Parts: sequence; structure tokens; C-alpha cells
Amino acid sequence: QKEVEQNSGPLSVPEGAIASLNCTYSDRGSQSFFWYRQYSGKSPELIMSIYSNGDKEDGRFTAQLNKASQYVSLLIRDSQPSDSATYLCAVRSNDYKLSFGAGTTVTVRA
Amino acid sequence: SAVISQKPSRDICQRGTSLTIQCQVDSQVTMMFWYRQQPGQSLTLIATANQGSEATYESGFVIDKFPISRPNLTFSTLTVSNMSPEDSSIYLCSVRLLFTGTSKGVYEQYFGPGTRLTVT
Repeated sequence: QKEVEQNSGPLSVPEGAIASLNCTYSDRGSQSFFWYRQYSGKSPELIMSIYSNGDKEDGRFTAQLNKASQYVSLLIRDSQPSDSATYLCAVRSNDYKLSFGAGTTVTVRA
Repeated sequence: SAVISQKPSRDICQRGTSLTIQCQVDSQVTMMFWYRQQPGQSLTLIATANQGSEATYESGFVIDKFPISRPNLTFSTLTVSNMSPEDSSIYLCSVRLLFTGTSKGVYEQYFGPGTRLTVT
């Protein structure tokens, strides 16, 4: 069974701080890694994808991937109240299916 | 990305009845997926709907309970049959698209707005 685990939340950070989200996966053959943001009552929205080791930056978001450690993370810099949401880590292995973590709920305190 | 719409957006249904959820995409896609998200939980894949072939169901989901149609490359339906309160959930359509950015040959997956189903 392909497992994806995220650090348990909820995570509360003050406005302007860095929110750090972690995710580990069990299938060493995994190829593609995604972070989705889900606001309460809404569907998941793709915010980051990463395919090779290292860092990928997009605005205030940075995804980090370490395939040797089977670890992927998401950093949210200069956190804003609008970043308050549940963040889902998703991993695709050699087949076409995504495996999702349970999600980490982030609350940014104004 | 793609524009994905679902109908209905929400519904309240009685036990024992069936509901068909529609998913429409504004571009042709080879793979469409149906997920369920129960309250406070993550996403669970129900089945993969491929045009021109029968849907592939995940463990714990069967065709009699969740029949799926995929008549063309832009449309799919999921029916929740003989509903019980345990079927109360958000049902999400999802599509896989070839990424057109700098990482060639990789696919990204996008979700529709979801259908919130309550069974009484």
C-alpha cells in the first residue's frame, strides 16, 4: 500500500512568519509530487508540483524534494491570513494514480 | 489547467434513492477520476474513467454501487446508487492534463468544484 504521511496539525503561525509543512511517502518509485490547497467547503487547488530533487520556488511558496529520504516539504513565506487552509500532499508513483496525505490545516493569525 | 464543472453542486437525497453527478471539462482529456471526500478526511479514489472502456474501480468500490459513464473525452457521470447516510460526502471529479511548462512530459491533476451530497 502506498502511504503518504503529513505532519499532524493544526499548524498555527503568526502573520508574516514561515509555515513549514512536511510529507513523507513510502513508495521509493514515486516520480511526481504535488501540494494542493483546500479552503473549507472548496475543492483542492493545485499550488505546487515538483519532480526532481531540490527546491522549486513559486512566489511565496517553496517546495523541497529529497527522494533519498522520501521526503517532500512546502514552505509558505510571509504567511497571510488568506493562506489559512488545509494543505494536501499528493504523490504519484509509476502508475497514474495519486495518493494523498491526510492534510495539514494551517491557521495564520493576524 | 482546465475548466471543470460539476452538476449538481449539492443535493439532499433520501435513503434508497440514486443520484447521478455530471462532470464536464472544457478540453479533451484521456483520464478522468472520481474521488470521495468524507467529512474531515482526505481524498479517496473511487474509480478511473477512461473513454471507450469500462471504469477501473479501487478496492472497496463496486460498479453496482457507483456506476460510471464516459461517453466522450469531455464528459463523465458518476451515479451513487441505493444511497445510505454513509454515502454523505463530497464527490469530486478530477482530470489529468499534460503539463505545458518547463517540465515536459509530466502530468498534473485538477479537480472540479465538487458535489456535496447529504443522504437522510
